[in-house]
Amino acid sequence: AQSVTQLDSHVSVSEGTPVLLRCNYSSSYSPSLFWYVQHPNKGLQLLLKYTSAATLVKGINGFEAEFKKSETSLHLTKPSAHMSDAAEYFCVVPMNTGFQKLVFGTGTRLLVSP
Amino acid sequence: DAGVTQSPTHLIKTRGQQVTLRCSPISGHKSVSWYQQVLGQGPQFIFQYYEKEERGRGNFPDRFSARQFPNYSSELNVNALLLGDSALYLCASSLVAAQETQYFGPGTRLLVL
Repeated sequence: AQSVTQLDSHVSVSEGTPVLLRCNYSSSYSPSLFWYVQHPNKGLQLLLKYTSAATLVKGINGFEAEFKKSETSLHLTKPSAHMSDAAEYFCVVPMNTGFQKLVFGTGTRLLVSP
Repeated sequence: DAGVTQSPTHLIKTRGQQVTLRCSPISGHKSVSWYQQVLGQGPQFIFQYYEKEERGRGNFPDRFSARQFPNYSSELNVNALLLGDSALYLCASSLVAAQETQYFGPGTRLLVL
């Protein structure tokens, strides 16, 4: 079965410093993978989607992710954090078992300090 | 273009009551999925509907039911509410059932007292 593991429950950075949110997947093949962001008391917004087309994927709001098959990872990065980036980030793998559902990681809360 | 909309935004019920949550998908999207997000956790899949038929169901009791209408909007019903049903209920839509990318609404926050 496909699953994702988010390695950090909380990540704290200072404004202007780089962001790294880690995600590892478990699958017998290279799956599609998503990153979603959820701001406080809000729904989920698609940040970026990885398919097998390219190893580096650019998302919204300056985020990007690099797929590394050897490490079974799709870590999310941003060169410079903004206060508005403070939110919960979910690594997600879609599963199709006759129907389509999204399987979410446990989430990483990003805290950005001035 | 309007995104996924959900109503109501907040709801307070007491144990044993029944609740109905509503969702309108993005225009042109024919598939609607429902997820439950308990505080501090990631969303959990409840249902997927496509063309008015249930395509899939997650590990939820029969107290949870849903339906999809000809205009592709959907309702989620929960009977005999328990305290543990308190959560953010999220609706997501996609063009077709097999599409991996799903777009989420703002959610309905349900509090059961």
